[in-house]
Amino acid sequence: SYVLTQPPSVSVAPGKTARITCGGNNIGSKSVHWYQQKPGQAPVLVIYYDSDRPSGIPERFSGSNSGNTATLTISRVEAGDEADYYCQVWDSSSDRWVFGGGTKLTVL
Amino acid sequence: EVQLVESGGGLVQPGGSLRLSCAASGFTFSSYWMSWVRQAPGKGLEWVANIKQDGSEKYYVDSVKGRFTISRDNAKNSLYLQMNSLRAEDTAVYYCSSLGGESGPFDYWGQGTLVTVSS
Repeated sequence: SYVLTQPPSVSVAPGKTARITCGGNNIGSKSVHWYQQKPGQAPVLVIYYDSDRPSGIPERFSGSNSGNTATLTISRVEAGDEADYYCQVWDSSSDRWVFGGGTKLTVL
Repeated sequence: EVQLVESGGGLVQPGGSLRLSCAASGFTFSSYWMSWVRQAPGKGLEWVANIKQDGSEKYYVDSVKGRFTISRDNAKNSLYLQMNSLRAEDTAVYYCSSLGGESGPFDYWGQGTLVTVSS
């Protein structure tokens, strides 16, 4: 089965740039979606199809995907960005929808 | 405004059954794939099941295959998850979500309903 690997945690100072990676075999050939989840809340889509932003999501959020790694980049990080972030793909070979294990972003 | 409202969660004994419901509004329900995603306490997200717009295709994570059944009623804008032979490891918050196509994102989410399997 297809596996997505994320670092358990990432820490960043306010105003700096956070990069959260999502590793998978040839993930560059798949469409990657990213979700933000704050404590006690439902997940929110922040990036879809590798790099598109839903309406209402700040331009500070961007995404890229190539080779074996997809990356969510958050520029000018704010305290309100502190949350868990999950990547997700559809594995067409098995018809399974897969989430990464999640990354806890801490704003120092 | 898109709204997805889950109901039906609760405490159930191992081996028992539960039926979750999700009431959808604010979008054309019959035009969307729909999904259930769960999250065990303190754990990450896990996709559970998907159903195509007309109900003709259904997909399940291996751990629930044969025990859970996803269904929908487009006339009532409602999604369901029938859960049988429940196990302790099924304990989780269950989210209803719309899926923007097979390769698309889970774009809208409900607030979730908690299912606790315990004796």
